[in-house]
Amino acid sequence: GQNIDQPTEMTATEGAIVQINCTYQTSGFNGLFWYQQHAGEAPTFLSYNVLDGLEEKGRFSSFLSRSKGYSYLLLKELQMKDSASYLCASMDSNYQLIWGAGTKLIIKP
Amino acid sequence: GAVVSQHPSWVICKSGTSVKIECRSLDFQATTMFWYRQFPKQSLMLMATSNEGSKATYEQGVEKDKFLINHASLTLSTLTVTSAHPEDSSFYICSARTGRDFYEQYFGPGTRLTVT
Repeated sequence: GQNIDQPTEMTATEGAIVQINCTYQTSGFNGLFWYQQHAGEAPTFLSYNVLDGLEEKGRFSSFLSRSKGYSYLLLKELQMKDSASYLCASMDSNYQLIWGAGTKLIIKP
Repeated sequence: GAVVSQHPSWVICKSGTSVKIECRSLDFQATTMFWYRQFPKQSLMLMATSNEGSKATYEQGVEKDKFLINHASLTLSTLTVTSAHPEDSSFYICSARTGRDFYEQYFGPGTRLTVT
């Protein structure tokens, strides 16, 4: 079956660094996505990894290991506005996104 | 670029009535559009995939007679919830894919449906 696992909730302090992990198991693989979703809003695209390694984009970085079926999203210099849910999604062989349940990130001052 | 709009942003309707939600790609042509439903504190659930000019492909467990999808043009797709019931109350989100960047979906702002 197809499955995406990520923690339900995480808490971090403003200015700190947090890593959100995601493991995936899908029928075929065409890339791993991270989206940010604020409450009551639609998801916004953060990153896409299809090859192993780290992709850095400003304060956010995303890592992929295809052999381990593992990815993480790294957020640095956390700001209060980073409080949101972070959705991990794997694209399967049919180019369909298989979504995780999301990780709610709570930032404390 | 790549902006997707949805209308209405929220709607309240009575049980038994039908509601239409529009999804438009404003500055690009969307070869494929997706409709998702999201219940509180849950992830996105794909309901159906629609390609312009053809019938939508529904996910298992989604009633195609209840959730009517029309992708009449490259910039417009509609979702009609027929004979709505309180359990249909949810956050409905559409997304669109261009033919260029197969891997990226552009999401609309979502429509909050409440059925009383």
